[in-house]
Amino acid sequence: DTEVTQTPKHLVMGMTNKKSLKCEQHMGHRAMYWYKQKAKKPPELMFVYSYEKLSINESVPSRFSPECPNSSLLNLHLHALQPEDSALYLCASSQDRTGPIGEQYFGPGTRLTVT
Amino acid sequence: AQSVTQPDIHITVSEGASLELRCNYSYGATPYLFWYVQSPGQGLQLLLKYFSGDTLVQGIKGFEAEFKRSQSSFNLRKPSVHWSDAAEYFCAVAPYNFNKFYFGSGTKLNVKP
Repeated sequence: DTEVTQTPKHLVMGMTNKKSLKCEQHMGHRAMYWYKQKAKKPPELMFVYSYEKLSINESVPSRFSPECPNSSLLNLHLHALQPEDSALYLCASSQDRTGPIGEQYFGPGTRLTVT
Repeated sequence: AQSVTQPDIHITVSEGASLELRCNYSYGATPYLFWYVQSPGQGLQLLLKYFSGDTLVQGIKGFEAEFKRSQSSFNLRKPSVHWSDAAEYFCAVAPYNFNKFYFGSGTKLNVKP
């Protein structure tokens, strides 16, 4: 199984809502990532979890809150978002970020629209 | 500062023609290098990667890339393009300790019938 799944596929939320994005992989990977991708732009790294611990936070606003409940799951909790946060949110996983890796497997993304 | 540059924003080739997408990196040491492809509204798929060793790397879907240290380049090639190759292609770079991961700005490939 070389698949990373993300739910939901699409999400529309108001600026006062609280919602969560979910990502799951069953490849035994110990590093998981959240990326944000605006239209016609490359993905931008937001967070990296390694062995269920947050290892990189790329100065992401606190209205985005990641969580890694176990080695297969990665959540992104959203609260009080702004319209400019509308984007495709991509999850990825790889074997281990401390070794010669970087072969990240990406999910299909969640298309988020903030109204 | 580390960076990765894809000089071509759009490229159009005819089906059956050869393809070369350019990627240049700026980094103190040889980084890890990757090419990803993204179809519209989809996630990214890894085409190939270079860590060390043979500088000509074979990937999936008939793609290959050549690492040239002297030119700080990692160009992607395909001898004969198929219509299904139309997509956005991203070059990416990671330092040896993998504390960062940089994508280039992408090259959108159009394929003419």
